[in-house]
Amino acid sequence: GAGVSQSPSNKVTEKGKDVELRCDPISGHTALYWYRQRLGQGLEFLIYFQGNSAPDKSGLPSDRFSAERTGESVSTLTIQRTQQEDSAVYLCASSLELSGANVLTFGAGSRLTVL
Amino acid sequence: GDSVTQMEGPVTLSEEAFLTINCTYTATGYPSLFWYVQYPGEGLQLLLKATKADDKGSNKGFEATYRKETTSFHLEKGSVQVSDSAVYFCALSAYTGRRALTFGSGTRLQVQP
Repeated sequence: GAGVSQSPSNKVTEKGKDVELRCDPISGHTALYWYRQRLGQGLEFLIYFQGNSAPDKSGLPSDRFSAERTGESVSTLTIQRTQQEDSAVYLCASSLELSGANVLTFGAGSRLTVL
Repeated sequence: GDSVTQMEGPVTLSEEAFLTINCTYTATGYPSLFWYVQYPGEGLQLLLKATKADDKGSNKGFEATYRKETTSFHLEKGSVQVSDSAVYFCALSAYTGRRALTFGSGTRLQVQP
């Protein structure tokens, strides 16, 4: 597609429920990233996929968080047993991963509110 | 590990004032450096970038120069407009190792007419 598409744009859930957030990267982009942005704060790295390499999961805050990516296409971020501190905007980005400057294109984000 | 430090905001300026937002970094090797901007209600978008020492990135009247000796990448604009009101994020991408960008905490700019 023309840009990075994320869904849902807004999600309100009750504490303890599981949620899935979806990201469709730009076609042909080999790298995909998930970040979290809490209200008024900076971007927190969560996970990074690059081609068929093992994903870099070093930013996932707990084992309640997981993500998958099918080939070089769609990715799903899953949060199990949501907690109120999970409330944030979850941003997905993709890139061509060329050597040198690694320019990310971001989606509009999925705003998660845990009641 | 890699890190980016930005000046805290908000920064409030009058229209046509000069803008500087400071950014310093810590990284192994020679990272690429970026400024991203987030306008109200919108997603992050790349503003400018620089890939090696002494490079100057520029876009929309904004400039930043990659200073290896001071590990800095300060954002400047000579005359800000109300439409520049946004949150600005400095970021780096390591040359080796993890390729995900490391972001600073962001600086909110408010430009008053």
